[in-house]
Amino acid sequence: QKEVEQNSGPLSVPEGAIASLNCTYSDRGSQSFFWYRQYSGKSPELIMFIYSNGDKEDGRFTAQLNKASQYVSLLIRDSQPSDSATYLCAAPGNAGNMLTFGGGTRLMVKP
Amino acid sequence: GAGVSQSPRYKVAKRGQDVALRCDPISGHVSLFWYQQALGQGPEFLTYFQNEAQLDKSGLPSDRFFAERPEGSVSTLKIQRTQQEDSAVYLCASSPGGFGTYEQYFGPGTRLTVT
Repeated sequence: QKEVEQNSGPLSVPEGAIASLNCTYSDRGSQSFFWYRQYSGKSPELIMFIYSNGDKEDGRFTAQLNKASQYVSLLIRDSQPSDSATYLCAAPGNAGNMLTFGGGTRLMVKP
Repeated sequence: GAGVSQSPRYKVAKRGQDVALRCDPISGHVSLFWYQQALGQGPEFLTYFQNEAQLDKSGLPSDRFFAERPEGSVSTLKIQRTQQEDSAVYLCASSPGGFGTYEQYFGPGTRLTVT
């Protein structure tokens, strides 16, 4: 059974700081990883995906993948209170195109 | 363009009732997924369609759960004889491609409460 693990948090950072969210996965064969943001009472929203080792930047967001360590992270620069949400990490699951999600990390950005 | 839509947004059912949850994927998306999300947890996979074919239903928790996508577009998730443990948010997601395409876009979900 493929697993994706995240610290549930909450992770609290001050406004303007860098928030670092981490995720580990069990399947060495996983090739792609996804970060979703989920506001309370809303559905997950895709914000980043990464397929290759290294960094991928999109605005204030940077996804980092280290396949050797089976570790993927999401950095949010200049954190804003509107970034306060649960961040879900996902990887392809056991079969087909389904995704296996971590439990999510709750981020709180304090003004 | 329009995103994934789901209806109803909220459903309260008495234990033992049957419910039907509808999903309208993004137009042209080949793949459609159903997930179940309990409070404070990540979504858990239920079933997957590629066009009208149900390719994976390994996540359906019991034979009371049934899903269909007869014309390769709209999908319905049906739960028969609902139980309290079925209370959750049911999320539908669609993806533009077939096998190997993983970016999935979620609808707003249906919150099911079984009393």
